[in-house]
Amino acid sequence: DAGVIQSPRHEVTEMGQEVTLRCKPISGHDYLFWYRQTMMRGLELLIYFNNNVPIDDSGMPEDRFSAKMPNASFSTLKIQPSEPRDSAVYFCASSLWQGRSILAGGLLDTQYFGPGTRLTVL
Amino acid sequence: GNSVTQMEGPVTLSEEAFLTINCTYTATGYPSLFWYVQYPGEGLQLLLKATKADDKGSNKGFEATYRKETTSFHLEKGSVQVSDSAVYFCALSDHRSNTGKLIFGQGTTLQVKP
Repeated sequence: DAGVIQSPRHEVTEMGQEVTLRCKPISGHDYLFWYRQTMMRGLELLIYFNNNVPIDDSGMPEDRFSAKMPNASFSTLKIQPSEPRDSAVYFCASSLWQGRSILAGGLLDTQYFGPGTRLTVL
Repeated sequence: GNSVTQMEGPVTLSEEAFLTINCTYTATGYPSLFWYVQYPGEGLQLLLKATKADDKGSNKGFEATYRKETTSFHLEKGSVQVSDSAVYFCALSDHRSNTGKLIFGQGTTLQVKP
């Protein structure tokens, strides 16, 4: 498997522009997570989906941020308009949740991360 | 609510030194516990995990034991290498809440000098 794929790997844009980050989860995974990482705030969970449905978007910083998952193999995180304080590394992660049984062990609820998109807003 | 606390870094060691990174947690239910590692310029990757009390996770010479009585999951390695320099994250998931999400600690930076 190719793992979680993110694009672009680097994005430099000017303040006020729209930015779209893309993610392809591991095939068959039913959870998808978007994180943001900065030196000041560490790793923050922004939003996550289960079976393409947003479950918890309480980490989305403000209305300028939006995320969609139109199908099981693709998700986007959009920032419009972008601001310099949005500069960060954005990670996508996916996992396969097999319900409450802890007997599954193994790969149950392990999250697999993509390489990240480094966003710089000038 | 659920939370994870890691020792603050950075941790600076000489090659072949013994490593301990402390991690304690607060959780309801029966969480699984994880250590993730992030090498410079890369995403997080799973280092090891444990799914129930007294389990020991191990990988690449690293070990951590799930201690329910002390709510801890400390990461250890007997002899670190320069290539182990990275940021280490402790995390938990909660099977009972069935949310599927992980709660991460703030990360601990390890720097190993030759």
